[in-house]
Amino acid sequence: DAGITQSPRHKVTETGTPVTLRCHQTENHRYMYWYRQDPGHGLRLIHYSYGVKDTDKGEVSDGYSVSRSKTEDFLLTLESATSSQTSVYFCASYRRMNTEAFFGQGTRLTVV
Amino acid sequence: QKEVEQNSGPLSVPEGAIASLNCTYSDRGSQSFFWYRQYSGKSPELIMFIYSNGDKEDGRFTAQLNKASQYVSLLIRDSQPSDSATYLCAVSRGGRAGGTSYGKLTFGQGTILTVHP
Repeated sequence: DAGITQSPRHKVTETGTPVTLRCHQTENHRYMYWYRQDPGHGLRLIHYSYGVKDTDKGEVSDGYSVSRSKTEDFLLTLESATSSQTSVYFCASYRRMNTEAFFGQGTRLTVV
Repeated sequence: QKEVEQNSGPLSVPEGAIASLNCTYSDRGSQSFFWYRQYSGKSPELIMFIYSNGDKEDGRFTAQLNKASQYVSLLIRDSQPSDSATYLCAVSRGGRAGGTSYGKLTFGQGTILTVHP
């Protein structure tokens, strides 16, 4: 594996609580991405980052925010979790001008 | 219409047969095309990428791209039970030079492939 880890791997939280998921990579990759995966939808891009403090919205960004204060860490925050945010979340990172995205192991989040 | 659509599946083939997985996309600005394999409970892993029209072969896998028809496919020859997984088609507006758009993938919903002995 390319040294990209997600934490926590599993989390159950209550509706209305804030939740932060962490993606940590040791490859010095510039580009990092957060996706969610739901049955029947494949993976959908939430937010992405093209460098420290440089982030932008993806396809399904409502209800999510991100931060990237260091190259190696990309944080995804659900400000006030809702049941519709129950999903499996994957982080991915790229080398510049390379062809392969390395995915983290995923975080299964359940909002009850 | 979904931006990336895959044959709905599930697809079941006998061991040793050719498995054919298909994908169509709607964004004509797409430049990069990927096939990922995902085992149950695991993260996606890249198995093939293609940028240009035509065929690209890598071992038992062949990716085919037809930009005029907005169609990309994956053929798996001599299918093995270990190929049983969900196959995800993904496209990107980014080209082979990389950059921000490259990693902004739009995925299809996936096709479940089962290879039975």
